[in-house]
Amino acid sequence: EVQLVETGGGLIQPGGSLRLSCAASGFTVSSNYMSWVRQAPGKGLEWVSVIYSGGSTYYADSVKGRFTISRDNSKNTLYLQMNSLRAEDTAVYYCARVAGGGDIDYWGQGTLVTVSS
Amino acid sequence: QSVLTQPPSVSAAPGQKVTISCSGSSSNIGNNYVSWYQQLPGTAPKLLIYENNKRPSGIPDRFSGSKSGTSATLGITGLQTGDEADYYCGTWDSSLSPYVVFGGGTKLTVL
Repeated sequence: EVQLVETGGGLIQPGGSLRLSCAASGFTVSSNYMSWVRQAPGKGLEWVSVIYSGGSTYYADSVKGRFTISRDNSKNTLYLQMNSLRAEDTAVYYCARVAGGGDIDYWGQGTLVTVSS
Repeated sequence: QSVLTQPPSVSAAPGQKVTISCSGSSSNIGNNYVSWYQQLPGTAPKLLIYENNKRPSGIPDRFSGSKSGTSATLGITGLQTGDEADYYCGTWDSSLSPYVVFGGGTKLTVL
């Protein structure tokens, strides 16, 4: 059974850093495209970043230069390093697996990141 | 403002049919598969339709998807109160570097 479990969210001051983790089971992270998607309170879905199976990474303009997606193949875990956090980064962050056709076939339960002083 | 355009809300009575539209451009819907997601209150999104019109295992055939040109449509027949949720369309955009785009979401109310 495929499972994605995010951890690492919490309350952080503006300008601070946080690292989210997503432990995967039931499949191999490094063999798939993996993404982070966020949802601000009461708002819609916003794609954040993707890492291809080959290792290429892409980011939304809103986080480019501040966030870094990575993975640890030995731990079958996906990460999102978030630096220079802003109030507008406040959201539930979902870890997601991207299927071959480009759809997101599995989502984690989400972890809440609140950026506030 | 979302790259893909959806109506903010739709409503219909139980047992009726509803459609939700998703409009994009040639750089996204026009050249890529469209997927649809259902998000029940307080939960993570769930894949409803993939590759324009395919249903994952466990999704009833009351849900259907179609695509024409730069637009896509989600159809739901035999509406149930449990279908009340937010629905999002999504696809890839390849205008510059590849990235995923979503619609702004549509709130379905089953009256």
